[in-house]
Amino acid sequence: GAGVSQSPSNKVTEKGKDVELRCDPISGHTALYWYRQSLGQGLEFLIYFQGNSAPDKSGLPSDRFSAERTGGSVSTLTIQRTQQEDSAVYLCASSAIAGEANTQYFGPGTRLTVL
Amino acid sequence: AQSVAQPEDQVNVAEGNPLTVKCTYSVSGNPYLFWYVQYPNRGLQFLLKYITGDNLVKGSYGFEAEFNKSQTSFHLKKPSALVSDSALYFCAVKGGATNKLIFGTGTLLAVQP
Repeated sequence: GAGVSQSPSNKVTEKGKDVELRCDPISGHTALYWYRQSLGQGLEFLIYFQGNSAPDKSGLPSDRFSAERTGGSVSTLTIQRTQQEDSAVYLCASSAIAGEANTQYFGPGTRLTVL
Repeated sequence: AQSVAQPEDQVNVAEGNPLTVKCTYSVSGNPYLFWYVQYPNRGLQFLLKYITGDNLVKGSYGFEAEFNKSQTSFHLKKPSALVSDSALYFCAVKGGATNKLIFGTGTLLAVQP
């Protein structure tokens, strides 16, 4: 079946602009995670959704970052007033449920470049 | 707090030789450990996981990992490396109430023909 998909695959924006990144999880997966991969920080957790609610937003680096999930499926990560340090690959993952044993499956990522 | 360490930034091995990519962990409670592989400009692909049971876990593409509780290690292994195995490998542990993944810094595996 279809895996996790993300769009766009690449996004170049100017400093100060807002961007939206989209994630389509595997059908039926209730848990959805966003991570960020950057040279300086490695792979870091951003936010977790169970259904449409986000019980863990602890990884969001600032209030310029927000995310939502609608219909228990698609999620959008929004970055307002982008800064150069926001340049990174944003990865989305989903799992059937958020159990300890459950495997998270990742999408191909969105490479964000802020000029 | 949960954490993992990958002590080697890069591992070089000749094709056909066995390979080992090291990972050590620190957890409170039972460890739930994962290995992922990342090819250039691609997302992370799941290789294998340890939840409980046998200490030797078999995964995709001929990879396996050995869980060692006394040494708090979860090293990734393959008996015979292929050039196509060249990629970035991440060890991860589940952490927190929401079971987010906590990743190591990654190890670049380079297999020479």
